[in-house]
Amino acid sequence: EAQVTQNPRYLITVTGKKLTVTCSQNMNHEYMSWYRQDPGLGLRQIYYSMNVEVTDKGDVPEGYKVSRKEKRNFPLILESPSPNQTSLYFCASSFPGLEGNQPQHFGDGTRLSIL
Amino acid sequence: KNQVEQSPQSLIILEGKNCTLQCNYTVSPFSNLRWYKQDTGRGPVSLTIMTFSENTKSNGRYTATLDADTKQSSLHITASQLSDSASYICVAYSSASKIIFGSGTRLSIRP
Repeated sequence: EAQVTQNPRYLITVTGKKLTVTCSQNMNHEYMSWYRQDPGLGLRQIYYSMNVEVTDKGDVPEGYKVSRKEKRNFPLILESPSPNQTSLYFCASSFPGLEGNQPQHFGDGTRLSIL
Repeated sequence: KNQVEQSPQSLIILEGKNCTLQCNYTVSPFSNLRWYKQDTGRGPVSLTIMTFSENTKSNGRYTATLDADTKQSSLHITASQLSDSASYICVAYSSASKIIFGSGTRLSIRP
């Protein structure tokens, strides 16, 4: 089954404790992206990757890191999490086409709480 | 400033009724517009794409329209079902590779 898999689905942690949210896709997509979704706000892009070893900042990259060593994986790293990073996070992937002609496939989200 | 505004923020209708969700966008240069459906606890799923030259497109009981002159799009749902309860997100794409998400309309279908 074609899917984007995120882990963990839920995480409660404390300020300053490094964490990684993994994202894996099995559709051979070149493009991958991370978003956060907060109440009343639209999805906001954190980082994206056009292909292996190519990453770029989105609209809200502060406090986050990513890497793209393999085509299928795109982990999101919070080196020193803070409470304002409490949010619902989504990973997405698609074939190339930032003009929207390729639909993005989203994972089911990771709900992150930073105390 | 690139932005997408959706209305209403939330909507409750009875099963079997029709409804229309609105999306106003200010994106330049405009490329495409997509509607996504997001079920509770799930990621968004694409319903339809509207390109600059398209006015209307249907996908089952969903019909999307686009007016490039007024920069408005709508999503019409016919004969609503309980499974239509979800958030509907309008996403505008610029040919400058920007993706702008609306904050969504939360639709609840009551039996």
